[in-house]
Amino acid sequence: QVQLVESGGGVVQPGRSLRLSCVASGFIFSSYGMHWVRQAPGKGLEWVAVIWFDGTNKYHADSVKGRFTISRDNSKNTLYLQMNSLRPEDTAVYYCARDSAPYYYGSGTPDYWGQGTLVTVSS
Amino acid sequence: SSELTQDPTVSVALGQTVRITCQGDSLKSYYANWYQQKPGQAPVLVILGKNNRPSGIPDRFSASNSGKTASLTITGSQAEDEADYYCNSRDSSGYRLVFGGGTRLSVL
Repeated sequence: QVQLVESGGGVVQPGRSLRLSCVASGFIFSSYGMHWVRQAPGKGLEWVAVIWFDGTNKYHADSVKGRFTISRDNSKNTLYLQMNSLRPEDTAVYYCARDSAPYYYGSGTPDYWGQGTLVTVSS
Repeated sequence: SSELTQDPTVSVALGQTVRITCQGDSLKSYYANWYQQKPGQAPVLVILGKNNRPSGIPDRFSASNSGKTASLTITGSQAEDEADYYCNSRDSSGYRLVFGGGTRLSVL
């Protein structure tokens, strides 16, 4: 069965960096695009970034562009989110999610989601 | 980018039919997808694209689209359907996604 396990969350001071990881299993990781989606406490879902199955393209939300970078290592079945210059408004649960369409040169929509990792940005 | 608008709260009597709507310019070009999220849990995809239910999603969930409005219909609402529901679609770039603000469904 599809499993996505995020890690790397924690408490970090404003302006600092953090790298999230997501280890995938139960499917051919290198065949699927992957997303990061976040949810601030008590708020709705916010899409953060997507990377195509082969890593050739990646797109980020305007709210994180220039500060966050999505990447992947298909040899390790692992998705990453490098978060720099963190702000208090980045506080959220960060979900890793698989795109619904394999071998898709584009951005589909997430189908399977991990359980999330909490990032708290506070001094 | 573009926005998707949802009613914050909707209620339905047990066993009745409810429609949850999502409005936005991007829906003229792209289908909405729908997610269910219960407290403390990750979202679950309930409708993909035009009107496709992933495996395990009951057939009481269906979707429709008209112009800039997408709708999720639950026919014969059950107590376990009480949850937050989110729509999403691609934004005007075609490569980024956008989520609606979510609708909290209460089953009375």
